[in-house]
Amino acid sequence: AQSVTQPDIHITVSEGASLELRCNYSYGATPYLFWYVQSPGQGLQLLLKYFSGDTLVQGIKGFEAEFKRSQSSFNLRKPSVHWSDAAEYFCAVGGTRGGNKLTFGTGTQLKVEL
Amino acid sequence: GAVVSQHPSRVICKSGTSVKIECRSLDFQATTMFWYRQFPKQSLMLMATSNEGSKATYEQGVEKDKFLINHASLTLSTLTVTSAHPEDSSFYICSARGGSGNQPQHFGDGTRLSIL
Repeated sequence: AQSVTQPDIHITVSEGASLELRCNYSYGATPYLFWYVQSPGQGLQLLLKYFSGDTLVQGIKGFEAEFKRSQSSFNLRKPSVHWSDAAEYFCAVGGTRGGNKLTFGTGTQLKVEL
Repeated sequence: GAVVSQHPSRVICKSGTSVKIECRSLDFQATTMFWYRQFPKQSLMLMATSNEGSKATYEQGVEKDKFLINHASLTLSTLTVTSAHPEDSSFYICSARGGSGNQPQHFGDGTRLSIL
């Protein structure tokens, strides 16, 4: 079975500081990995995705993530956080073995201090 | 591109009412649509997967007679919560995916359903 763990429920950073959100996955083959962001009362917006190839993927809003197979991780990073980045972030895993269904982590709530 | 529209955004109705939620892909053809339920402060739980023109596949524990899903075209799927009760109150989110399985899912803005 596929699963995702986001160890940090809440993270607080100062505006302008760097950010790393952790994501560990379990999947029996090469996974498809995603990061989504959700603002309160809204749906999810895709930040970036990894299917294959270069393990460092660039996304929207200045985010990037690195796929590390040996660590089963897909951590999200941003070098300088903006106040507008405050939101809930979800990591998700999917792939052909799971019928292409996504399994989401429990999310990390990001708070940005001005 | 890849815009998904979900309507209505909020519904408040009496217990026993049936509620229909629409999910539309505006600028692409969605071969597969997904319906999720999200409880406060929690992650998304997949309810069902629907492919255009075929019956939806429900996840374990989801009552198919309670949550009717129709995916009649490549741009529209509907979720009907039949005879809704207060315990059905939740945030329901749809997503749509075009093409093959490695395409990402694009999400609607969700529907806040409140049953009195």
